Amino acid sequence: DIQLTQSPSFLSASVGDRVTITCRASQGISSYLAWYQQKPGKAPKLLIYAASTLQSGVPSRFSGSGSGTEFTLTISSLQPEDSATFYCQQLNSYPYTFGQGTKLEIK
Amino acid sequence: EVQLVESGGGLVQPGRSLRLSCAASGFMFHDYAMHWVRQAPGKGLEWVSGITWKSGITGYADSVKGRFTISRDNAKNSLYLQMTSLRAEDTALYYCAKGGLADAFDIWGLGTMVTVSS
Repeated sequence: DIQLTQSPSFLSASVGDRVTITCRASQGISSYLAWYQQKPGKAPKLLIYAASTLQSGVPSRFSGSGSGTEFTLTISSLQPEDSATFYCQQLNSYPYTFGQGTKLEIK
Repeated sequence: EVQLVESGGGLVQPGRSLRLSCAASGFMFHDYAMHWVRQAPGKGLEWVSGITWKSGITGYADSVKGRFTISRDNAKNSLYLQMTSLRAEDTALYYCAKGGLADAFDIWGLGTMVTVSS
């Protein structure tokens, strides 16, 4: 099975900061990676698919990059409403797997 | 409106069975892969199972393989998860999700809670 490791697990940043979250896969997954945002008590929301394609309706401050085994999610200018937990997910092969999550706190 | 509504959760004793359902509306259900994802209280997301649009291919997490069975009824726009030999560690909120472009999960339900306890 493909394992995904996110770093950091916790991140505290200020409004306006540029934030980067990394996701590493235990084997190559081409660009079959998605990023989700989950707020407390809510279902996850798709942000990015195919490693770098922004889902419709998602603010352009979110971007994704990478291929193979290393991927990043970047928020270019952090907003108060971005406080959430972020997950990466590989969609290369079953069983699909998620990273352990990165909790983002706004200072 | 595109919507997924899960049902069938509840309190069940260890070793017993439960069947979850997910009713889809607002999109061509038969054209898309569908998935189950669970989240134990205070924990991260865990993909449980997926099924292609024609039910030709199914997949399972190692933690549920041999105990859970995913199925779909395209005529009823419904997805199912038959869970047997339930364990305490299966306690979680179970989400139904639609596979969109590149099979990324673009639509999620609100979830149905399963609690396995004696």
